[in-house]
Amino acid sequence: GENVEQHPSTLSVQEGDSAVIKCTYSDSASNYFPWYKQELGKRPQLIIDIRSNVGEKKDQRIAVTLNKTAKHFSLHITETQPEDSAVYFCAASKVQGAQKLVFGQGTRLTINP
Amino acid sequence: EPEVTQTPSHQVTQMGQEVILRCVPISNHLYFYWYRQILGQKVEFLVSFYNNEISEKSEIFDDQFSVERPDGSNFTLKIRSTKLEDSAMYFCASSAWEKLFFGSGTQLSVL
Repeated sequence: GENVEQHPSTLSVQEGDSAVIKCTYSDSASNYFPWYKQELGKRPQLIIDIRSNVGEKKDQRIAVTLNKTAKHFSLHITETQPEDSAVYFCAASKVQGAQKLVFGQGTRLTINP
Repeated sequence: EPEVTQTPSHQVTQMGQEVILRCVPISNHLYFYWYRQILGQKVEFLVSFYNNEISEKSEIFDDQFSVERPDGSNFTLKIRSTKLEDSAMYFCASSAWEKLFFGSGTQLSVL
């Protein structure tokens, strides 16, 4: 089955700097790659997603890149702010109606003022 | 903005007891899910549900677990005889197609 590895497990950056989180997946049939942000004690919230037919997608300060050949995808957050501090999870799935999201282990991002 | 709602937010039970976790998915969504998250760990898939039947289930979802959509709005997860290791945050989710939206979770504590 699918396996998703995520790095780093913790990341600390200065406010205003960029943060990059990387994930690799194992199943070449996976075609959907969402990123979720989870604040302490809260639900995972979808922040951006990408389909396998697209190499890059951007939404304001957040961007995701996908390399299908290498089977890895990355989250880029620019101009980080204190409210970006949270745990970020990548995930992968095959979208075929009901889907099974396989999550990475998570990255605890801390933005230092 | 529509949200997935879950009740209760916290559930404490004794080992061996049955629990039912309840969810109201987003109204126009067709696909429903249960995931769980043990404290400090990643979110894990339990089961997906479509057209009143299970689409896929994980190895975690054994005979002690069941799901049901008893009416047009609710989606439930039942654990028949809880074990200590069932203690976790249980998230319900729903999707119209690819984007999954999660509920706020039920924290289950088995004593």
